[in-house]
Amino acid sequence: QSALTQPRSVSGSPGQSVTISCTGTSSDVGGYNSVSWYQHHPGKAPKLLIYDVAKRPSGLPDRFSGSKSGNTASLTISGLQAEDEADYYCCSYAGSYTFVFGGGTKLTVL
Amino acid sequence: QVQLVQSGAEVKEPGASVKVSCQASGYTFKTYAVHWVRQAPGQGLEWMGWINPGNGNTKYSQKFQDRVTISRDTSASTAYMELTSLRSEDTAVYYCAKGGIVSIHYFDYWGQGTLVTVSS
Repeated sequence: QSALTQPRSVSGSPGQSVTISCTGTSSDVGGYNSVSWYQHHPGKAPKLLIYDVAKRPSGLPDRFSGSKSGNTASLTISGLQAEDEADYYCCSYAGSYTFVFGGGTKLTVL
Repeated sequence: QVQLVQSGAEVKEPGASVKVSCQASGYTFKTYAVHWVRQAPGQGLEWMGWINPGNGNTKYSQKFQDRVTISRDTSASTAYMELTSLRSEDTAVYYCAKGGIVSIHYFDYWGQGTLVTVSS
């Protein structure tokens, strides 16, 4: 399995919105509604943001939203805050009980 | 509250093996999958495999198929990840993560990570 493709970096100013893409194939992203997104601050454990393409865990602000079109999933963060600066990873079910992560995107809040 | 507590950092020589533990609490261990994910320095997250603690069934990434074994001790609510034939490229932080409630297709709680350093 090849890693899903994410932009290496994105940036935005406080209050703005940013969107991070995650491109796979019909064997992973496009084939299942099973894309999840994680926020990872260096030195800490990753945190679940989105599961099953667009569902949010309870307690997570609705500033975080997910979507999918074809083989590309997207994470949108609205109302950017300084604490959103982190690495973001998508992950997709890839069939046969296997999973594949994206390469990660570094979000900089300007 | 759900917690996954991993064993401490390890330093191993090339060719050796390492076994990392992940003790779960705050939920019924046998009910939810436990996955293992690693992050090498400067690299992204990489899925390694998972175990169904209820029946012991496992599935591994093709990349690690020949070198990794994931096991569990239900009496101790603990999952283990053993990686053999270590090489310098295996230097990484290894995480365990609990499978989701709605489906197994996501990871809702993560351990704190275990740094494994492979060096002669």
